[in-house]
Amino acid sequence: GQSLEQPSEVTAVEGAIVQINCTYQTSGFYGLSWYQQHDGGAPTFLSYNGLDGLEETGRFSSFLSRSDSYGYLLLQELQMKDSASYFCAVRVRSGNTPLVFGKGTRLSVIA
Amino acid sequence: NAGVTQTPKFRVLKTGQSMTLLCAQDMNHEYMYWYRQDPGMGLRLIHYSVGEGTTAKGEVPDGYNVSRLKKQNFLLGLESAAPSQTSVYFCASSVRNEQFFGPGTRLTVL
Repeated sequence: GQSLEQPSEVTAVEGAIVQINCTYQTSGFYGLSWYQQHDGGAPTFLSYNGLDGLEETGRFSSFLSRSDSYGYLLLQELQMKDSASYFCAVRVRSGNTPLVFGKGTRLSVIA
Repeated sequence: NAGVTQTPKFRVLKTGQSMTLLCAQDMNHEYMYWYRQDPGMGLRLIHYSVGEGTTAKGEVPDGYNVSRLKKQNFLLGLESAAPSQTSVYFCASSVRNEQFFGPGTRLTVL
């Protein structure tokens, strides 16, 4: 089976930095993605890591260590609008194939 | 571009009724997916399609059928709805490493 573990909830202060971890045990691994979903909205793509290391996109960064089956999403300079659920997702087969999603981390940003 | 659209946005069914959810995308993507999202369960793949005329089962396909007669459309059918199918249904299409999601259909089965 496929297993992705991430914290269910995280709370952080506006302006701070928060890290959301994701560990995975899957039958195959071809990349780790992160998606953001606001309440009542659709998931939207944030980042993709196919190789080890850090990918940066503005205030968001994502990291992957394939040897540790581990990745994280780093959000800097937190804003209230960052309050949302964040999902890690693994591509378990090569090519443009379906993703296996974690259960999500609900981030609450407080003043 | 409208991206990925879904109809209807909301629906209430009685147990045993049937319905079809429609997903359309205007990005010329080959790959399309149907997910359901339940509280605390994340997104679970129901069925997917790698191109016109092809479909494949995902993680939770029981009770659902799909068709992809045209590249831009992906239909999800419930032949005999059950309360366990109460959920939010998302359609998505993808290119390379990014999936684009529709706004979702909130389905309640009484």
